[in-house]
Amino acid sequence: QVQLQESGPGLVKPSETLSLTCTVSGGSISGYYWSWIRQAAGKGLEWMGRIYSSGSTNYNPSLKSRVTMSVDTSKNQFSLKMNSVTAADTAVYYCARGQTAMVYWGQGTLVTVSS
Amino acid sequence: QTVVTQEPSFSVSPGGTVTLTCGLSSGSVSTGYYPSWYQQTPGQAPRTLIHSTNTRSSGVPDRFSGSILGNKAALTITGAQADDESDYYCVLYMGSVMVFGGGTKLTVL
Repeated sequence: QVQLQESGPGLVKPSETLSLTCTVSGGSISGYYWSWIRQAAGKGLEWMGRIYSSGSTNYNPSLKSRVTMSVDTSKNQFSLKMNSVTAADTAVYYCARGQTAMVYWGQGTLVTVSS
Repeated sequence: QTVVTQEPSFSVSPGGTVTLTCGLSSGSVSTGYYPSWYQQTPGQAPRTLIHSTNTRSSGVPDRFSGSILGNKAALTITGAQADDESDYYCVLYMGSVMVFGGGTKLTVL
């Protein structure tokens, strides 16, 4: 069974860069699409973007200028970086697998942007 | 910018049937958008119910079904149970991006 686990700092200062990693277990990262999704408290889900195992990316146009995704197939991990964060970026961040849908999900990690 | 629309809220009686829909602010939803559906309860990660319009994810009971109804994607819950009370989100695949609907809060009472 494929499992995904998000990790990274739970607190980021305003204007700094948020960095998260998703570790995949129970299966290979190769040959699949991997997404990041976030959810602010009391709000809906927002797809942030995805990366294929080859490294090709697609981003949500509303976040494209601030987001970078990367993949490390040797570690079975993929990562998210988002720069110039503000309090509005405080959310639970999820990683997920799937090409046309999110089929497997991580449990999510809360990132708070605060000084 | 295309917006994916869902009913903000819906209620169903226990044992009843409810159909939630997923539309587009402009245009019709077709199978080519690979509509998918997710269930989320407070504090939990989303659970994938349906993908590719009508394919149930592993372990999802067959009282959840997906379809295209008119110009929208639809999620039908037959024989609603108390623990179906959740938020439900749809996603449409638009080529290189995925777009979530705003979600429907389903109450079972």
